[in-house]
Amino acid sequence: DTEVTQTPKHLVMGMTNKKSLKCEQHMGHRAMYWYKQKAKKPPELMFVYSYEKLSINESVPSRFSPECPNSSLLNLHLHALQPEDSALYLCASSHFVGGNEQFFGPGTRLTVL
Amino acid sequence: DQQVKQNSPSLSVQEGRISILNCDYTNSMFDYFLWYKKYPAEGPTFLISISSIKDKNEDGRFTVFLNKSAKHLSLHIVPSQPGDSAVYFCAALGGSQGGSEKLVFGKGTKLTVNP
Repeated sequence: DTEVTQTPKHLVMGMTNKKSLKCEQHMGHRAMYWYKQKAKKPPELMFVYSYEKLSINESVPSRFSPECPNSSLLNLHLHALQPEDSALYLCASSHFVGGNEQFFGPGTRLTVL
Repeated sequence: DQQVKQNSPSLSVQEGRISILNCDYTNSMFDYFLWYKKYPAEGPTFLISISSIKDKNEDGRFTVFLNKSAKHLSLHIVPSQPGDSAVYFCAALGGSQGGSEKLVFGKGTKLTVNP
């Protein structure tokens, strides 16, 4: 299994909703990442998890809450989002942090109304 | 502060010819470089990488060249195929404290390969 999977593929939510994005990999990778990508822009790093511990938070607003329940799963909990948070949310994983390739999932297209 | 720069937003080449995508970086502490290919509404797909201790890495039709003194790398695709049409992102790892965890992306170059 050489894939990073993400669910759902598409998500539409109101500003008062609570939802979660899910990411899964079974490659034995110990580093997992959340990125946000707006149209015609490069991916922007949000969070890095290393060995299930939060390693980097790129000053992301608290309405985004990451969680790493185990080495294969990464969640992103969403609450009270704004319309400007609409974007493609990408999950990635790598063997470990630094010096190696990150493999990306297909992303979740989020629309906040 | 754009640490990884792809100055050509788009490139158009004829099928069968060589595609050359360029990337410049400013941070001399970057020590690992990667190229990703991205189709619309999909996640980036890893293509090829190169460590700063090498100057060339080849994988099939894809070759990445690194010129450390010029802080420049390029991706060569030969022969180019219509299916190569996508946005190509250059990315770098390393940099300052904690930088090995952060993949820094360029803005991307949209490659169009015409049949």
